[in-house]
Amino acid sequence: AQSVTQPDIHITVSEGASLELRCNYSYGATPYLFWYVQSPGQGLQLLLKYFSGDTLVQGIKGFEAEFKRSQSSFNLRKPSVHWSDAAEYFCAVGARDSSYKLIFGSGTRLLVRP
Amino acid sequence: DVKVTQSSRYLVKRTGEKVFLECVQDMDHENMFWYRQDPGLGLRLIYFSYDVKMKEKGDIPEGYSVSREKKERFSLILESASTNQTSMYLCASSGGQDRGFGPGTRLTVT
Repeated sequence: AQSVTQPDIHITVSEGASLELRCNYSYGATPYLFWYVQSPGQGLQLLLKYFSGDTLVQGIKGFEAEFKRSQSSFNLRKPSVHWSDAAEYFCAVGARDSSYKLIFGSGTRLLVRP
Repeated sequence: DVKVTQSSRYLVKRTGEKVFLECVQDMDHENMFWYRQDPGLGLRLIYFSYDVKMKEKGDIPEGYSVSREKKERFSLILESASTNQTSMYLCASSGGQDRGFGPGTRLTVT
């Protein structure tokens, strides 16, 4: 069965510190992979996505993610966190069929200390 | 950009009422989805549709039904609302590698 695991429910980092949010997936083949961000009271915003090719993907707002097939992981990173990054982050896998159905992880809430 | 709109941002209904949540997309996407978002559980797929009048159950279809009479519109129906259906409901559409999400409807059932 397809599934996505985000093992960290909450993460707190200091402003200016680096960030890594973990994501592991279970899927029969190489899926499409996504990271979304949701600020309080806002909708989902796509940060980045991996479909094929270079396994290091650059996204918006200075985020990047690396697809590691051997570890079934797609961790999100940012070298220096800003207070405005405080939000909830969702990893998702997408079916490689015409439905492009997305399965989401349970989310990681990022808190940023001033 | 994909534009997905949902008929209401906030909705309060009573137990046992029939509830309709409407979603419209303007990108001629084949696929449309309804998710439910709850704290600590992420987004869970309720139903999706890959064509007009076609639908498939997602992970948590119990207590819900859907309708897709036109390509741009996908409705989620709660036949008899219950308090455990109090949640945030998100609609999405996709076509090719393009995808968009609606702003969500926060439904409270009292």
